[in-house]
Amino acid sequence: EAQVTQNPRYLITVTGKKLTVTCSQNMNHEYMSWYRQDPGLGLRQIYYSMNVEVTDKGDVPEGYKVSRKEKRNFPLILESPSPNQTSLYFCASSPTGLGEQYFGPGTRLTVT
Amino acid sequence: GIQVEQSPPDLILQEGANSTLRCNFSDSVNNLQWFHQNPWGQLINLFYIPSGTKQNGRLSATTVATERYSLLYISSSQTTDSGVYFCAVGSYSGAGSYQLTFGKGTKLSVIP
Repeated sequence: EAQVTQNPRYLITVTGKKLTVTCSQNMNHEYMSWYRQDPGLGLRQIYYSMNVEVTDKGDVPEGYKVSRKEKRNFPLILESPSPNQTSLYFCASSPTGLGEQYFGPGTRLTVT
Repeated sequence: GIQVEQSPPDLILQEGANSTLRCNFSDSVNNLQWFHQNPWGQLINLFYIPSGTKQNGRLSATTVATERYSLLYISSSQTTDSGVYFCAVGSYSGAGSYQLTFGKGTKLSVIP
């Protein structure tokens, strides 16, 4: 089944403890991206990747890192999480940047 | 960057009623998608519609790219249609980079 998977789905952590949210797609898509969703603000793009080893900042990149070493994986790294990073995170992929976007199930992160 | 406005922000419908949701965008776009976020938080692709009209069952969408708007029609609404409907537009933002920008959504509640 063609899909985008994220892990973990739910995470509660403490301020400053490094964490990684994994994202994987099995559709051989070139384009992958991360979004966060906050009440009243909608979905905002954090980072995106046009292809392997090519990443770029979205609208809200501060406090996040990404890497794209393989086509199928695009992990989101929070080196020192803070409470303002409590949010619902989505990973997405697309055949190309212009193509239809497919979203993962979301990761609900709480930083205390 | 590009601005995306959705209207109305909230909508309450009696089951069986029809509705039209609107998405306006501020500049030329390369793609446009409509999503439904169900009460469990999942983002479900409805339409990939950079231009023209598409139909899928009780839902249809029209994008008039030259006039910078898109419409989502829901006919004979059902309680399972409840949730938030997002419009997202994709555009190149200089130097070959690409971004997807979401509107803030229309929250639809269908009551029996």
